[in-house]
Amino acid sequence: QVQLVQSGAEVKKPGASVKVSCKASGYTFASFDINWVRQATGQGLEWMGSMIPNNGNTRYAQKFQGRVTMTRSTSISTAYMELSSLTSEDTAVYYCARGTGRFDPWGQGTLVTVSS
Amino acid sequence: DIQMTQSPSSLSASVGDRVTITCRASQSISIYLNWYQQKPGKAPKLLIYAASNLQSGVPSRFSGSGSGTDFTLTINSLQPEDFATYYCQQYYSPPYTFGQGTKLEIK
Repeated sequence: QVQLVQSGAEVKKPGASVKVSCKASGYTFASFDINWVRQATGQGLEWMGSMIPNNGNTRYAQKFQGRVTMTRSTSISTAYMELSSLTSEDTAVYYCARGTGRFDPWGQGTLVTVSS
Repeated sequence: DIQMTQSPSSLSASVGDRVTITCRASQSISIYLNWYQQKPGKAPKLLIYAASNLQSGVPSRFSGSGSGTDFTLTINSLQPEDFATYYCQQYYSPPYTFGQGTKLEIK
C-alpha cells in the first residue's frame, strides 16, 4: 500500500537545525509532489512548502523562505525537510504528505521540540 | 495569501445527527478545496477533494459541496468514529492554506 514513513522525534536547542526524512513506498516516488505541513500543539495545520521529486524543484511558503530546504534521494525514495535557526516557535509535529493539491497519504508525523 | 475561515470552530452533536461545517475563502478558489479529518495524535486524513469528490474508502455519509468562495462539508447520520477535528484546505494557489479547524464533539 502507499505509505510515507517519517523519522523519529527530535530535540534541538535554539539556533540549531533539524532534518526530517520521509520514506515513500508503494508507488513511483518521482510521480507525486511531497509536501511538508506542520502543526504546533493544539493548533491548526500550516503548509511549509513542496518539492517535485522528479526534478527537485521546490516551492516554499514565504514565511519559511531562507530557513527551509527540501531535498530528496530518488534512489531510496526519500524526501527530506531541513529547518534552520530554530526557535521555540518551531516546536511542532512535522508531516510529509503526497500529492499536488490533494494531500494523501500523510506520514505519521515527527515531533520536533526546540528547548534550551 | 488566501485566508480560509471555517465555522463553527466547535460543534456538539449526537450519534445519528446530521451536521454541516462551512468554509469560506477570502477570494474565489473555484473548486480547489479539500476536506480532512484529524483525530488526536494522528495525521490528517483526506475525505473530500475538489470540493465534492469522495476520496476512495471514505464512507458515503460524508459529502462536500460549493464553489467559488463558499463550501460545506456535511456528515449524515454521525457515527462514534466521526468525532474529530475537520479542516478545509485550498489548493488554488500557494501557499496552500488551511482553515482553523472545526472540532466535532459528542453531545
